[in-house]
Amino acid sequence: NAGVMQNPRHLVRRRGQEARLRCSPMKGHSHVYWYRQLPEEGLKFMVYLQKENIIDESGMPKERFSAEFPKEGPSILRIQQVVRGDSAAYFCASSPQMGGLGEKLFFGSGTQLSVL
Amino acid sequence: SQQGEEDPQALSIQEGENATMNCSYKTSINNLQWYRQNSGRGLVHLILIRSNEREKHSGRLRVTLDTSKKSSSLLITASRAADTASYFCATVFHQGGSEKLVFGKGTKLTVNP
Repeated sequence: NAGVMQNPRHLVRRRGQEARLRCSPMKGHSHVYWYRQLPEEGLKFMVYLQKENIIDESGMPKERFSAEFPKEGPSILRIQQVVRGDSAAYFCASSPQMGGLGEKLFFGSGTQLSVL
Repeated sequence: SQQGEEDPQALSIQEGENATMNCSYKTSINNLQWYRQNSGRGLVHLILIRSNEREKHSGRLRVTLDTSKKSSSLLITASRAADTASYFCATVFHQGGSEKLVFGKGTKLTVNP
């Protein structure tokens, strides 16, 4: 039973390019969360998605960032026109139902984005 | 901020000693969770304690919760070098019909052999 799969593990982009981060939740999980972590910091919530729906994107920057969780395929976090400040580790987590109601989250190993 | 705040930010101990990390939070909670993160890896769930529980054990881990003080502690007994990691507490934040886990900045634990 595979865990949460994120790819790529490392992603290097030049300023102005696009970054696409992928997350496949655990089998049977329909809730996906994306978090961002800066060095020596905790995780900052970005967005919460269910299949084909964005439930809460209150942590997403208003511009350049978008996320989707299509009916088929992985969840995608997309960052357009990346800037150096976007460099961070991006983690995806999944749960079988709403994560807050007594359910723990299962995390992927993250994608380390480096913007040159 | 709705985050929990861990204390201390960093802790260095010798193998065999106990490690205590504290977490304070701001809002009322249904449960509080502790996670561990090894360097460069994702978070791993350690233990969940519900608001009606005061103490919970799991192996060498002991978690306490004091809802009157809005605080929790994580105790690791007889620490090992392999316990070296960052430890985060997390609480549920309700907003606009959505629920999400919010994390503190973590305690970085180093266990010296």
